[in-house]
Amino acid sequence: KAGVTQTPRYLIKTRGQQVTLSCSPISGHRSVSWYQQTPGQGLQFLFEYFSETQRNKGNFPGRFSGRQFSNSRSEMNVSTLELGDSALYLCASSLRTSGSNEQFFGPGTRLTVL
Amino acid sequence: QQQVKQSPQSLIVQKGGISIINCAYENTAFDYFPWYQQFPGKGPALLIAIRPDVSEKKEGRFTISFNKSAKQFSLHIMDSQPGDSATYFCAANTYGQNFVFGPGTRLSVLP
Repeated sequence: KAGVTQTPRYLIKTRGQQVTLSCSPISGHRSVSWYQQTPGQGLQFLFEYFSETQRNKGNFPGRFSGRQFSNSRSEMNVSTLELGDSALYLCASSLRTSGSNEQFFGPGTRLTVL
Repeated sequence: QQQVKQSPQSLIVQKGGISIINCAYENTAFDYFPWYQQFPGKGPALLIAIRPDVSEKKEGRFTISFNKSAKQFSLHIMDSQPGDSATYFCAANTYGQNFVFGPGTRLSVLP
């Protein structure tokens, strides 16, 4: 079974631009969660999508948004990029069925904002 | 109350030794406690997980010990190898809610 895939793997943007990141979950998984990972803040939860609906949301500004498609693939968008948005963005997929909490991460997208 | 504390921040162990990483939580609603291993340039990989109805779970050289009354859990890596050198994250979750992660422990196993 293929794992979680994320594209692109690396991105370089300048302040003020916007960026869209993509995540394809493990086949059969309907939940996709997004995280921001930085050396100083660790793994911070952004939001979770399940069945095309946002189910949980972390404490990030409205510049961070996401969506999920009917095939469970998810995109994350960051508008008006700031230097502090430079981070590794990870998505994780899970079945999200009763009794199954397991969450599996993709390799991440390394975003650098100049 | 959503925080998960993790210690130590970094750990150096000799090959063949035991590595121990500790985590503590406050939210008694958490019912799933996984550990993740992350190598540089990679995403975190699920290593082992435990639920509060058991006090210990072992998979190969990796063991989770869970103390429900103390709200603590720990990862033990037996016979540590240089290939185990990575950053380890503990996490906690209530079904249907988001995961909360510890800040991570950087483990270095010396040959």
